[in-house]
Amino acid sequence: GQQLNQSPQSMFIQEGEDVSMNCTSSSIFNTWLWYKQDPGEGPVLLIALYKAGELTSNGRLTAQFGITRKDSFLNISASIPSDVGIYFCAGQLYGGSQGNLIFGKGTKLSVKP
Amino acid sequence: DAGITQSPRHKVTETGTPVTLRCHQTENHRYMYWYRQDPGHGLRLIHYSYGVKDTDKGEVSDGYSVSRSKTEDFLLTLESATSSQTSVYFCAISYGGASYEQYFGPGTRLTVT
Repeated sequence: GQQLNQSPQSMFIQEGEDVSMNCTSSSIFNTWLWYKQDPGEGPVLLIALYKAGELTSNGRLTAQFGITRKDSFLNISASIPSDVGIYFCAGQLYGGSQGNLIFGKGTKLSVKP
Repeated sequence: DAGITQSPRHKVTETGTPVTLRCHQTENHRYMYWYRQDPGHGLRLIHYSYGVKDTDKGEVSDGYSVSRSKTEDFLLTLESATSSQTSVYFCAISYGGASYEQYFGPGTRLTVT
């Protein structure tokens, strides 16, 4: 099936650092969604993007819908300890069925030891 | 809070037994989904519903059936549980129409021994 390549798979953060992650595909998407999941809980929607080139912020989080419609980026500025968790991208394929999102495998954010 | 509950939250069952998981929503959304989440695979769609009695298969539907007799409830049944169905199961809802945003429940951790 269709795949989203999400990178990096994991990263360590120090409080105050900026963080970047991205999702890429060979297919075109209508929508990009970014979720965060804490241990033992369901994913929580952070940001939704609907237009190519769109840049949307939610507090310290900023996400962009790539111009080619095949990628998306999530940036976290001035990270804090509660940013730790797993971040997932999800996309709705152009021409795909309603609700058939494709999920990346996640980027795990941990605190630097 | 998207008003989604899942029950049970945890279940241990034996191979070959039937299991039913319940998803309940309080906001009258048209679309409901069942996903499973496994290490290395991310979130994969099992089945989804686009209305009462209207359901369709997802990527990993073998061994699962669903039913939706009321707008607020979406049931996932494992007719004869196998160890490969040990997983965390998430229900999600969406408004449909022009919105592809999905909101997730807290999950059910199922162990098949």
